[in-house]
Amino acid sequence: NAGVMQNPRHLVRRRGQEARLRCSPMKGHSHVYWYRQLPEEGLKFMVYLQKENIIDESGMPKERFSAEFPKEGPSILRIQQVVRGDSAAYFCASSPPRTAPHTDTQYFGPGTRLTVL
Amino acid sequence: LAKTTQPISMDSYEGQEVNITCSHNNIATNDYITWYQQFPSQGPRFIIQGYKTKVTNEVASLFIPADRKSSTLSLPRVSLSDTAVYYCLVGLAYSGAGSYQLTFGKGTKLSVIP
Repeated sequence: NAGVMQNPRHLVRRRGQEARLRCSPMKGHSHVYWYRQLPEEGLKFMVYLQKENIIDESGMPKERFSAEFPKEGPSILRIQQVVRGDSAAYFCASSPPRTAPHTDTQYFGPGTRLTVL
Repeated sequence: LAKTTQPISMDSYEGQEVNITCSHNNIATNDYITWYQQFPSQGPRFIIQGYKTKVTNEVASLFIPADRKSSTLSLPRVSLSDTAVYYCLVGLAYSGAGSYQLTFGKGTKLSVIP
């Protein structure tokens, strides 16, 4: 049973370019979360999606960032017109349909390390 | 959401038992305590979760006293490969926008020395 897959693992972009990060959840998981981690910091929640729906994007910056989880294919986190401050590790996590939210266990992918030159 | 406090770093020799304590004085009645492990350049990995008393799995044990204001992650006989950051999480943050999120602090950086 494959775990959460993310690609690319490393992404280098110049300021002003677009970055597109992909996440394939574990089989049977319909919930996807995106987190961002700066060096020496813990992970910070960005957005929570279910198939074809954005449930909570309260952690997303108001501009340039968007996310989707289409009916078919991986979840995509898109960053337009990247700036140096966007350099970070971006992690995707997935979980099965939730029955007890207070015990939610999320399974994380290996992350995409974005470097903006 | 209950705030957690854990040591920034710890050192241990190989083969020793390591105990990492997390304080969470404001834990709510429904909150569970969850520990994640993160190796460099990898995503966090679930280790163990508990509500009260003691929980043990193949990787670690979790001790939770009756008042639940703290918890201790115990790693038996650590090896070099246990060098990682360990995060203590209490409850899930409800955003008010329909989701529950994990909230990570800075964790405890465990260094295992040969």
